[in-house]
Amino acid sequence: AQKVTQAQTEISVVEKEDVTLDCVYETRDTTYYLFWYKQPPSGELVFLIRRNSFDEQNEISGRYSWNFQKSTSSFNFTITASQVVDSAVYFCALSGRNYGGSQGNLIFGKGTKLSVKP
Amino acid sequence: NAGVTQTPKFQVLKTGQSMTLQCAQDMNHEYMSWYRQDPGMGLRLIHYSVGAGITDQGEVPNGYNVSRSTTEDFPLRLLSAAPSQTSVYFCASSYHSLAGVSTDTQYFGPGTRLTVL
Repeated sequence: AQKVTQAQTEISVVEKEDVTLDCVYETRDTTYYLFWYKQPPSGELVFLIRRNSFDEQNEISGRYSWNFQKSTSSFNFTITASQVVDSAVYFCALSGRNYGGSQGNLIFGKGTKLSVKP
Repeated sequence: NAGVTQTPKFQVLKTGQSMTLQCAQDMNHEYMSWYRQDPGMGLRLIHYSVGAGITDQGEVPNGYNVSRSTTEDFPLRLLSAAPSQTSVYFCASSYHSLAGVSTDTQYFGPGTRLTVL
């Protein structure tokens, strides 16, 4: 079965601190996709990044960076020099095909709530 | 492009009532899906569609029906609302699917907050 685990339920940091959000996944697929979404207090889901299983290059986008490691089945997300506007719930998600059970699609972790205090 | 739109934004129902949550996209996306979000549970897939005329069940399909008569629209019907269906519902779409799996980025609508009394 496929599964995404975000072990950190809530994280609180002070502005300008760096913070890493952990994501560990399980899948039997050899081809799969990993995503991060941001859900600010307003409630919408904002796409941040998509990664396919064949591309283990780390990615940096401004203050955001992602570390994909197949050996540990992890896809961690780091925010450098955090800002109050980064306060949100962040979801890691996996796209692939479930075996034995219903064919699903995006499997979400339960989310990590990040609070950045001024 | 308007992207993915959902109506209504808020809805209150009484137990046993039926209603339809509307979802539309103007990006000519093949793949559309419905998720529900409950506190501490993340998002869970209800139903999805890989194209007009084709739908399938996700993880939590009971109590919901869908149809896909056009590429643009993917309504979600609650047949007989129950308090357990109180949730926030998100519709999503993506361009491409392969064997029922979205291979492209899914973009989400703004959500519908449903309360069943």
